[in-house]
Formats: sequence, C-alpha cells, structure tokens
Amino acid sequence: GAGVSQSPSNKVTEKGKDVELRCDPISGHTALYWYRQRLGQGLEFLIYFQGNSAPDKSGLPSDRFSAERTGESVSTLTIQRTQQEDSAVYLCASSLVSIKEQYFGPGTRLTVT
Amino acid sequence: AQSVSQHNHHVILSEAASLELGCNYSYGGTVNLFWYVQYPGQHLQLLLKYFSGDPLVKGIKGFEAEFIKSKFSFNLRKPSVQWSDTAEYFCAVNALISGGYNKLIFGAGTRLAVHP
Repeated sequence: GAGVSQSPSNKVTEKGKDVELRCDPISGHTALYWYRQRLGQGLEFLIYFQGNSAPDKSGLPSDRFSAERTGESVSTLTIQRTQQEDSAVYLCASSLVSIKEQYFGPGTRLTVT
Repeated sequence: AQSVSQHNHHVILSEAASLELGCNYSYGGTVNLFWYVQYPGQHLQLLLKYFSGDPLVKGIKGFEAEFIKSKFSFNLRKPSVQWSDTAEYFCAVNALISGGYNKLIFGAGTRLAVHP
C-alpha cells in the first residue's frame, strides 16, 4: 500500500514569506507526527496529532509555527514569516496508534533565502 | 523528562568488522524501543523494534538489538558490517506522556561510515 507522502519535496522561499507543508499519512493511521531535521543533526519533535487533536505541541519552536489535521487524514504545517534558521528537512510520520512504530515520509526540504 | 542517549556520534569501520552502537534511555515506565536507519538520500526506515518477550530482537539486514532493562539500554549490533550499511542510525523510545498519550523520543543519531 501507499506510504506516507509529503509535498512539496523541495521548497525555496524568501525570508519573511509564509510556507505550507503537506503530509498525507498512511490510510487508517490515527497518529501523525511532524519533526524537523537540520543538516547534520538529529530529529527534533515538533507536534503530535491523535486524530484531529494535538495533545502535544511542545516542540513547536515559536508562534510562527502552526499545524492542523483534517479528520484522520491530511495535515499541514504552516510557518509564517519564515527565517533563515527555519531551513531544514521537515519530516512527517504516521502510526496506527501512538504506541506503535512510526512510518516516515520522504520529507520536505525547506530553504529560506 | 524522558531522554535517549546515543554515545557514539560518528563511527568508522572497515567491512567485515563487528558493530555495536550504544543506546540508553531514561524512563521508568514500560517502554517500546526502536532503531531506525536513514541511508544516504533516503528517508527513515524501521530497522527493528522491541515491544515485549525475548529481549534479543532481530531486524532486517542482519541487525539485532538487546534490551537490558536493568541498564536501560537497547544496543544495536551486527557481527559483520558491509559498505551498504553506511547510514545514520537513530534509537527511539516510546514514552507515555501526560494525558495518556505515547510519543517517540529520538536519540541524536550515530553516523556510520563503512570503508571497503
């Protein structure tokens, strides 16, 4: 079956612009996660969705970052007024339920110039 | 707070050498443990997992890991590495957070380079 998909695969934007990143989880997966991976670094947790709700937003770096999820499906991560330090690969993962293993998408590489 | 420590940030081996990557976690409750791998230019893939039962778990490509509860460890091993094992390896622990939900906590990763 289809895995986790993310779009766009690459995004180059100017500092100060808003960007929207999309994640399509595996069908039927109730849990969805967003992570950030800066060059040469590990995974930085951003936000976790269980269904529509986000019980853990503790990883969002600032109020410029927000995310939403429609049903138990698509999620969008929005970064407003992008800064150069936002440049990274943004990864989405889903799991059947939160206790199970996560399946990762290919990521969106964001470059802020 | 829960945390995961991977002791080696960079490991360089020759082909056929044995591999052991350390992973320790701090969490007192029941845990599920994972190793993920990220090959160059590819996305993260599950290598192996431990939920319960035999503490020695076997994964894909000849990898195995041993859960030692008393040491809060879940070290990854492979008897004989290949050039194709060059990748970054992440240990992760599924921890119960406030509100009754679970989330994965990742270590910082270990970059493995295998030379022919």
